[in-house]
Amino acid sequence: GQQVMQIPQYQHVQEGEDFTTYCNSSTTLSNIQWYKQRPGGHPVFLIQLVKSGEVKKQKRLTFQFGEAKKNSSLHITATQTTDVGTYFCARAGGTSYGKLTFGQGTILTVHP
Amino acid sequence: DTAVSQTPKYLVTQMGNDKSIKCEQNLGHDTMYWYKQDSKKFLKIMFSYNNKELIINETVPNRFSPKSPDKAHLNLHINSLELGDSAVYFCASSLQGFANTGELFFGEGSRLTVL
Repeated sequence: GQQVMQIPQYQHVQEGEDFTTYCNSSTTLSNIQWYKQRPGGHPVFLIQLVKSGEVKKQKRLTFQFGEAKKNSSLHITATQTTDVGTYFCARAGGTSYGKLTFGQGTILTVHP
Repeated sequence: DTAVSQTPKYLVTQMGNDKSIKCEQNLGHDTMYWYKQDSKKFLKIMFSYNNKELIINETVPNRFSPKSPDKAHLNLHINSLELGDSAVYFCASSLQGFANTGELFFGEGSRLTVL
């Protein structure tokens, strides 16, 4: 249905290693958003992807939207301890006006 | 200035009590939301209001009653609190509804603990 599946649920990396989280849908997505939530904090918008095959970069973060618009990924190069937190993808609600459905999130731990 | 503010930040109460959480946004947005985040970090939408009108009411017990006195405010009242209501409740707003997708601006959250 309207769900998005996000993997992995948890990821532990050493500082300096890369990290990727994936978001998959069984149905075509009109767009996908990504959010970051620091421990004890609130979700903060990172980016929105709209076009098929779109790739956007924010410093060490690279966001991709699949060609079929059914999956998306967030890749962090050379993680830093400031990257710790939970990363969520979220899909717009299709026919449900005003509904953003979040994936389960990937909790990233970065060991110094 | 805080864009989306919620009060209280922490709430500890006994089962069976009634409590309210207030939310205000100063962004001029038309749409406001309540999300519930459980202990596993899962974020689930509860309600959405557009210009004081209820748009989304997910499968939420009717013990939960949102109220929007104006488009800058969306409050959440919970009756007869249960243990399972313990969670972090996030208020959020967006410039427009998700049909054309706008980013969500979240408040800092209200952590509710029911004993």
